[in-house]
Amino acid sequence: QKEVEQNSGPLSVPEGAIASLNCTYSDRGSQSFFWYRQYSGKSPELIMSIYSNGDKEDGRFTAQLNKASQYVSLLIRDSQPSDSATYLCAVVPSGSARQLTFGSGTQLTVLP
Amino acid sequence: EAQVTQNPRYLITVTGKKLTVTCSQNMNHEYMSWYRQDPGLGLRQIYYSMNVEVTDKGDVPEGYKVSRKEKRNFPLILESPSPNQTSLYFCASSFLVGAGGYNEQFFGPGTRLTVL
Repeated sequence: QKEVEQNSGPLSVPEGAIASLNCTYSDRGSQSFFWYRQYSGKSPELIMSIYSNGDKEDGRFTAQLNKASQYVSLLIRDSQPSDSATYLCAVVPSGSARQLTFGSGTQLTVLP
Repeated sequence: EAQVTQNPRYLITVTGKKLTVTCSQNMNHEYMSWYRQDPGLGLRQIYYSMNVEVTDKGDVPEGYKVSRKEKRNFPLILESPSPNQTSLYFCASSFLVGAGGYNEQFFGPGTRLTVL
């Protein structure tokens, strides 16, 4: 079973809409959760981190964590064409010295 | 400027010809890691290092070697490259994670390797 699962997409939303990206993880003991954004041909960059259940907002981005359901999501409000990228969910499994396990990513396209 | 650098950025080589991809960071990070990224598979960890002279295998270590003789450098060595090692490679570094800690990993620009 894959440890971190994401819908690969592609996900297309119109400019100004809310984009919703979802991620599930298998290790119930995981404590740290991250969203990275990766533009085509570029390296991943961290955009959100979340550690406790609930919502965390940063500008147009909101991360949501539900540990009981082993689910983490990223909402992008007022989506812009510049948000078009692949979004990678990453989790630190419990007791892991390997620090980050990544999902395969969801490709988002924001249509002007 | 705080950064992770990788060289070369692009490399085309032939099967069996040993190569090294260098990685260097200037943030005094203890932790360094190598990933490969392939379409549909996301980032998969090859090797990681918790500190100087401390390295361990990740998820896909076969065909790769690493060394960590200095804190800032973490080269990836392919002793006998094969076509299935054609991929996009990323080096990353971070401070070590404490209990419940925050471990933003900073990624290098990537090395696109083609093995013919």
